[in-house]
Amino acid sequence: DTGVSQDPRHKITKRGQNVTFRCDPISEHNRLYWYRQTLGQGPEFLTYFQNEAQLEKSRLLSDRFSAERPKGSFSTLEIQRTEQGDSAMYLCASSSEVRVHYTFGSGTRLTVV
Amino acid sequence: DAKTTQPPSMDCAEGRAANLPCNHSTISGNEYVYWYRQIHSQGPQYIIHGLKNNETNEMASLIITEDRKSSTLILPHATLRDTAVYYCIVRVSQGAQKLVFGQGTRLTINP
Repeated sequence: DTGVSQDPRHKITKRGQNVTFRCDPISEHNRLYWYRQTLGQGPEFLTYFQNEAQLEKSRLLSDRFSAERPKGSFSTLEIQRTEQGDSAMYLCASSSEVRVHYTFGSGTRLTVV
Repeated sequence: DAKTTQPPSMDCAEGRAANLPCNHSTISGNEYVYWYRQIHSQGPQYIIHGLKNNETNEMASLIITEDRKSSTLILPHATLRDTAVYYCIVRVSQGAQKLVFGQGTRLTINP
């Protein structure tokens, strides 16, 4: 169990730029989740994959956000035309039918300037 | 998902037991109580979960009242490394139901 890896750990970008984050789940986990967390708040659900299928998306996931999990392994979260309000910690988690509690990564902290 | 209510903050002395309460009065019969914690700048970490019986693992104990409307997470001998935000979450265990986090309890362990 190597844990959930997220890359990069920190990202500073100018408003209007596109950014992409990567998440590598635990290898035997077929479920993958993205969350966003702003300062002082609990994590908020963004989207969920089972294998390569994106099964649920939050209303928080505006048209500028897109997530993929092309081969049912790693996932990417892209934010287009970033805004200052996108500044947050983006967390990835994975789970399986056997291990239903989530394992979270350490997150990617995005700062939009 | 049933809603949970937790105190926003608590303090505990190092070496003492930390008891974190959670109210979940609208919990359904098939919903489990989960506890996660988040240490500063890290992702949330699973601690323990239970349905109706008390549970214990290497990290903590979970006491669920008989009517299941509330629960208490117990850290038996708190250390400074237990300083974190603790989240109580109610969810159905089977399936891929998302975790819905509230504000949690910010626990500070004092030397």
